[in-house]
Amino acid sequence: RKEVEQDPGPFNVPEGATVAFNCTYSNSASQSFFWYRQDCRKEPKLLMSVYSSGNEDGRFTAQLNRASQYISLLIRDSKLSDSATYLCVVTISSNTGKLIFGQGTTLQVKP
Amino acid sequence: DADVTQTPRNRITKTGKRIMLECSQTKGHDRMYWYRQDPGLGLRLIYYSFDVKDINKGEISDGYSVSRQAQAKFSLSLESAIPNQTALYFCATSRRGFANNEQFFGPGTRLTVL
Repeated sequence: RKEVEQDPGPFNVPEGATVAFNCTYSNSASQSFFWYRQDCRKEPKLLMSVYSSGNEDGRFTAQLNRASQYISLLIRDSKLSDSATYLCVVTISSNTGKLIFGQGTTLQVKP
Repeated sequence: DADVTQTPRNRITKTGKRIMLECSQTKGHDRMYWYRQDPGLGLRLIYYSFDVKDINKGEISDGYSVSRQAQAKFSLSLESAIPNQTALYFCATSRRGFANNEQFFGPGTRLTVL
């Protein structure tokens, strides 16, 4: 079983749609959680951290359910520029800084 | 100028050749990492270094070696390249104690081993 699992998609949605991605992680000792964004053939970049209380950044909302070992990312009012691959990432130990990546979920927003 | 740079950006080589990928950073971070990315597998950690004298294996270190020549430089070597090392390689940096463990990635090196 992969440590971090995501549905690879692709998710094809029209502009303005709301889309949600899910991610599950296997290690209950995981401490920190993130969503990274990766544009085609480019490097990953941090989109947002995920906190236990849930957090929002503009059109993006991230939630964490530790009991179910589940992380989600909600994108409202999708833009063409949101088209990318979204990587779910966890760390086991904040001291080491080692990140464990899911394979990514691809989003394609259509006009 | 980019904060994390990688050279070369693209490389095609033959089986058995020795290859070195280089990474430099101007962010002043102490931690550096090498990943490879394959379709359907996500990013996997090859090696990581917390400072010049501290180098650690990641989950897929076999067939690779690294050198941390200075705080700003971290090189990845393939001593004898094989076709299944064809992948996109990323270098990344982070700062110890940085609360959210954010890693900053270089632009990647696309390596093809024939």
